[in-house]
Amino acid sequence: AQSVSQHNHHVILSEAASLELGCNYSYGGTVNLFWYVQYPGQHLQLLLKYFSGDPLVKGIKGFEAEFIKSKFSFNLRKPSVQWSDTAEYFCALRPSGGYQKVTFGTGTKLQVIP
Amino acid sequence: GAVVSQHPSWVICKSGTSVKIECRSLDFQATTMFWYRQFPKQSLMLMATSNEGSKATYEQGVEKDKFLINHASLTLSTLTVTSAHPEDSSFYICSASPVSEGNSPLHFGNGTRLTVT
Repeated sequence: AQSVSQHNHHVILSEAASLELGCNYSYGGTVNLFWYVQYPGQHLQLLLKYFSGDPLVKGIKGFEAEFIKSKFSFNLRKPSVQWSDTAEYFCALRPSGGYQKVTFGTGTKLQVIP
Repeated sequence: GAVVSQHPSWVICKSGTSVKIECRSLDFQATTMFWYRQFPKQSLMLMATSNEGSKATYEQGVEKDKFLINHASLTLSTLTVTSAHPEDSSFYICSASPVSEGNSPLHFGNGTRLTVT
């Protein structure tokens, strides 16, 4: 069975602070990893994805994530957050190969204070 | 980009009635669509995988007779909540990815807020 853990449930940062949101997964095979963002009142949007290749992936709005296979981690980072980054962030996993279901973490609510 | 449309965006119904939610892929074909349920302040929980032309695959604990899924075409899947009760009140979200893109990320509908009174 696959699972995704996000240990930070609620993060509060001041504008310009650096961000790192943790994501760890459990799965015995090759995986595709995603970060989604849900702004207040809006639907989920893809921030970035990792399928293969360079473990450091860059997404939209200055976000990046690093896949560390040995640690089963895919942490999300941004060097300087803005008030508009206030949202909920979900890490997700899908076993690669074929059309398989996506499992989501419980989400991290980020609040950026101006 | 790929767009998934979900309708209605919100619905209020009386206990005991049935509600149908539609999920359409507007500019791509999807042999598989996914139905999620999101409780307040919680993550998305996969309810079922909708397969075009065949029966849906339900996750453990999801009542297939209560949550009827029909995937009649490559662009439309429907979720019918039968004999709805207040505990079925939730946010239902569908997702899909283009069949032509293999392991592409999921694209999500805007969700349907169901309130059962």
